[in-house]
Amino acid sequence: SQKIEQNSEALNIQEGKTATLTCNYTNYSPAYLQWYRQDPGRGPVFLLLIRENEKEKRKERLKVTFDTTLKQSLFHITASQPADSATYLCALDLRGGGADGLTFGKGTHLIIQP
Amino acid sequence: GAVVSQHPSRVICKSGTSVKIECRSLDFQATTMFWYRQFPKQSLMLMATSNEGSKATYEQGVEKDKFLINHASLTLSTLTVTSAHPEDSSFYICSARVPGDPLGLFFGEGSRLTVL
Repeated sequence: SQKIEQNSEALNIQEGKTATLTCNYTNYSPAYLQWYRQDPGRGPVFLLLIRENEKEKRKERLKVTFDTTLKQSLFHITASQPADSATYLCALDLRGGGADGLTFGKGTHLIIQP
Repeated sequence: GAVVSQHPSRVICKSGTSVKIECRSLDFQATTMFWYRQFPKQSLMLMATSNEGSKATYEQGVEKDKFLINHASLTLSTLTVTSAHPEDSSFYICSARVPGDPLGLFFGEGSRLTVL
């Protein structure tokens, strides 16, 4: 079956360091992969989308890589700040239609300690 | 970015009653909206795809008679939880894509339903 796996345990990072989150998927070849941020009691906020033909995407302090051979995406936050503390979700359009809803991983809870 | 608004943000109801949650796209027209449910420490689970002017498409295992979806206009979709029970208590979130924009979904703030 198709699965999206994120490290569901909390990730503690010291302020100023780079936080790296992992998203692995199985039994699927997505055209693109997305990352979202979710704060407690709030809806997710779209951060970045990376396509299958892109190895890397950057946006300010965020960087996403996409390895379709390993079926893995890495999400990096450089110069991390306490305000970056949140749950980060990766998501795939598993049916590949482009107009369908997304399938989300469980998310990784990131804690940036001052 | 595009704004999607949900109302109410929190609702508490008695078992057996029905609850309606509204999802509005404020600055764009959404022919398709999506409804998700999220239990504590769990992933968002897609419940249904709401299509303007036609019937919603429900995911496997989601009861269409229990979760009524109406997408009556290009800016409004509603989810009605009928005869709610405590196990329906959850965080319900809607989302929409901006037409023609292949980028990510824009989500509402979510609605916390508690059924007593």
